[in-house]
Amino acid sequence: GEQVEQRPPHLSVREGDSAVIICTYTDPNSYYFFWYKQEPGAGLQLLMKVFSSTEINEGQGFTVLLNKKDKQLSLNLTAAHPGDSAVYFCAVSAGTGGLSGKLTFGEGTQVTVIS
Amino acid sequence: EAAVTQSPRNKVTVTGGNVTLSCRQTNSHNYMYWYRQDTGHGLRLIHYSYGAGNLQIGDVPDGYKATRTTQEDFFLLLELASPSQTSLYFCASSDAWAWGGYEQYFGPGTRLTVL
Repeated sequence: GEQVEQRPPHLSVREGDSAVIICTYTDPNSYYFFWYKQEPGAGLQLLMKVFSSTEINEGQGFTVLLNKKDKQLSLNLTAAHPGDSAVYFCAVSAGTGGLSGKLTFGEGTQVTVIS
Repeated sequence: EAAVTQSPRNKVTVTGGNVTLSCRQTNSHNYMYWYRQDTGHGLRLIHYSYGAGNLQIGDVPDGYKATRTTQEDFFLLLELASPSQTSLYFCASSDAWAWGGYEQYFGPGTRLTVL
């Protein structure tokens, strides 16, 4: 079955600098890719969803890159600010709905932005 | 107003104790999920449901039961709690299968400690 490895587990970044989190997955049929953000004491919130055909997607203060050849999904925090301090999770699925489907989460990355 | 709420937010019990975790969503979603979050493991699916009265087994179901009484309410039951069930539990809902590409909306979590 699908395995998702997320690195690094912890990341300290100075305010204004950039940081990258990488998830490596194993199932070549993976189709939907999610990044979720978990702020202290709160549940996960969706940052971005990307599809198989999407390679680069930009949001507010971050960029998501999908490299299907290497089976890697990355989240690049650009110009980090204190509000980016949180735990980030990737999640991957093969896009199969129904009882046979599965969504696999990475282990999470604790990001700390240092002022 | 929060669309997914969980209660209690914190719970301490003893080994062998009986615990019920509650989740309510006001998103009008049919799909609801229970996860546990442990350091180094990300989120792991315990049970899920695609409608009132429906229950499905997730990836780590041992020691847990669940009941979906209404579209809004989903409960997780630990009838003989063990220290290995000390964890942070999240409930989530979605409009359709999360592994079919649909965003999940998470509650704030319940921290359970089993002594």
